[in-house]
Amino acid sequence: DGGITQSPKYLFRKEGQNVTLSCEQNLNHDAMYWYRQDPGQGLRLIYYSQIVNDFQKGDIAEGYSVSREKKESFPLTVTSAQKNPTAFYLCASSIGAGSNTGELFFGEGSRLTVL
Amino acid sequence: AQSVTQLGSHVSVSEGALVLLRCNYSSSVPPYLFWYVQYPNQGLQLLLKYTTGATLVKGINGFEAEFKKSETSFHLTKPSAHMSDAAEYFCAVSDGFNDYKLSFGAGTTVTVRA
Repeated sequence: DGGITQSPKYLFRKEGQNVTLSCEQNLNHDAMYWYRQDPGQGLRLIYYSQIVNDFQKGDIAEGYSVSREKKESFPLTVTSAQKNPTAFYLCASSIGAGSNTGELFFGEGSRLTVL
Repeated sequence: AQSVTQLGSHVSVSEGALVLLRCNYSSSVPPYLFWYVQYPNQGLQLLLKYTTGATLVKGINGFEAEFKKSETSFHLTKPSAHMSDAAEYFCAVSDGFNDYKLSFGAGTTVTVRA
């Protein structure tokens, strides 16, 4: 079945450590996204990539980094510079620029807790 | 820039009762409007969307929404709530040109009472 796979589902981190969240899709979508979800705040865009080897900052990129070396993969690194990293992280994909559908396909999320 | 306001962070309904979730948007261009549903500890799933054409949009699981330009609203309804409708619902708006410019509301959590 086609879809988006995020791992790990739950992750615990000590303060000062970097962690990387994995996101893989087999939908052949060009565009991929990372969102952060906090209670009562909806979803906020961290980074997005419309094509391989290219990505742009979203609304809350500080303290995060990404790479897009393969079409299928868009890992997110939460660095020690992120002041409040405890959150639910969602990866999504869409057909790509110009599709104009607004339909995002989401993974099941990764919950990061900083101890 | 576009934005979305969802009225009410929590809604409680009885099984079989009407579900009404309110969404108002602001947009400087004709908007594309969406409702997504999220079950606990899962990702979001598209319920329905409005792009152009008919203003009453039907989605999955018996939900529908009506685009009212004069009221800048896109409220979500379901005539008869089911226990399986308990979830968090997000309204979203885009400018219709770029998927990455999807702006989400803060969400409304629905609980269904037996």
